[in-house]
Amino acid sequence: EPEVTQTPSHQVTQMGQEVILRCVPISNHLYFYWYRQILGQKVEFLVSFYNNEISEKSEIFDDQFSVERPDGSNFTLKIRSTKLEDSAMYFCASSEISIADEKLFFGSGTQLSVL
Amino acid sequence: AQTVTQSQPEMSVQEAETVTLSCTYDTSESDYYLFWYKQPPSRQMILVIRQEAYKQQNATENRFSVNFQKAAKSFSLKISDSQLGDAAMYFCAYRSSTMDSNYQLIWGAGTKLIIKP
Repeated sequence: EPEVTQTPSHQVTQMGQEVILRCVPISNHLYFYWYRQILGQKVEFLVSFYNNEISEKSEIFDDQFSVERPDGSNFTLKIRSTKLEDSAMYFCASSEISIADEKLFFGSGTQLSVL
Repeated sequence: AQTVTQSQPEMSVQEAETVTLSCTYDTSESDYYLFWYKQPPSRQMILVIRQEAYKQQNATENRFSVNFQKAAKSFSLKISDSQLGDAAMYFCAYRSSTMDSNYQLIWGAGTKLIIKP
């Protein structure tokens, strides 16, 4: 079965530094998502992306976050100035179409640790 | 706003036996979708089963089945003939069918399933 690939699997950074989390969605998918899960808490929606623009974002997705599809295959999440509370597991997901019951394919996640 | 609640932080079951994981949700919508995702140690989120709210028939996928009680807003997952490979975190999730939400998933807190050999 095709897979969504995320790199790195674990990222450690100092507070205030910029990080870029990378995702390679499944090649024929058109809709892309980022979710995060702070340790011990629920998985939270961050942002959805379609046709090279954000289609929806949550309250969490403030000005320090940005997403980009720089080259037609990668889908990145950038955090400009990391805070301690950004420490979480970040999941990328993609889907072929955007209907409510469409299967989302998730990557294995990037564990971000902000020190 | 919709919420999803999983009241069992951890469950354990003997291999080959049956276990039921509970999930309740709150919504004012009549049309929506419900999902169970599995997160094994590999950390991937794997779709286990999904249920359309407008269907009365409970979804089944091999050893996995749901008990969907729309009036009670309950969506439990039954795993029959439990296998060691079923050990994982299980997440219940809700997705609106209206385009306003852009179909974002709303998640429960998860239930850790332990399989005893």
